[in-house]
Amino acid sequence: EPEVTQTPSHQVTQMGQEVILRCVPISNHLYFYWYRQILGQKVEFLVSFYNNEISEKSEIFDDQFSVERPDGSNFTLKIRSTKLEDSAMYFCASSRDQNTGELFFGEGSRLTVL
Amino acid sequence: EDQVTQSPEALRLQEGESSSLNCSYTVSGLRGLFWYRQDPGKGPEFLFTLYSAGEEKEKERLKATLTKKESFLHITAPKPEDSATYLCAVQAYSGGYQKVTFGTGTKLQVIP
Repeated sequence: EPEVTQTPSHQVTQMGQEVILRCVPISNHLYFYWYRQILGQKVEFLVSFYNNEISEKSEIFDDQFSVERPDGSNFTLKIRSTKLEDSAMYFCASSRDQNTGELFFGEGSRLTVL
Repeated sequence: EDQVTQSPEALRLQEGESSSLNCSYTVSGLRGLFWYRQDPGKGPEFLFTLYSAGEEKEKERLKATLTKKESFLHITAPKPEDSATYLCAVQAYSGGYQKVTFGTGTKLQVIP
């Protein structure tokens, strides 16, 4: 069964460092997303991406964040200068259709900022 | 702003003891309501989509229903493997329609 894969599964970084989280969405999906979940809190929308551009972003997704689909298969989330409050589980998701909430999530990348 | 409230926060059931989880929502134009299951340390796993009041969906021991203000996830004769956090989420017509807003979830524990 096709699945969304994410790397790394866990990353520890120092405050102020840049972090890149990587995702390989399901191959025939066209819409890609990043969500995050701070420990014990709800899953929060960060950004959606379609046709090589951001289609929607939340207020969390400020100038420190960027997304890219560099090679037609990978989908990356970059945090330019990490803060303590960026510590969370980051989930990549993909979907066939923008009109569905049937999102296929990866297993997540746990980011710990020290 | 879209809001999703789930209750109870946690639920402990004996194996075979049926119950219901509640999700109440406030959105300006519901495009869809979704139920997900999340196991510890994993990403959410899609279960159901409901689009309009009166709609019902079933999958094994789970049945999801929808009214104009809330949704219920009914669990019939649960088994220990049903233990997980169940997340409700909504997608609205207004504003950015690709965004899915999640509730905080109900953590279900089924005891053998």
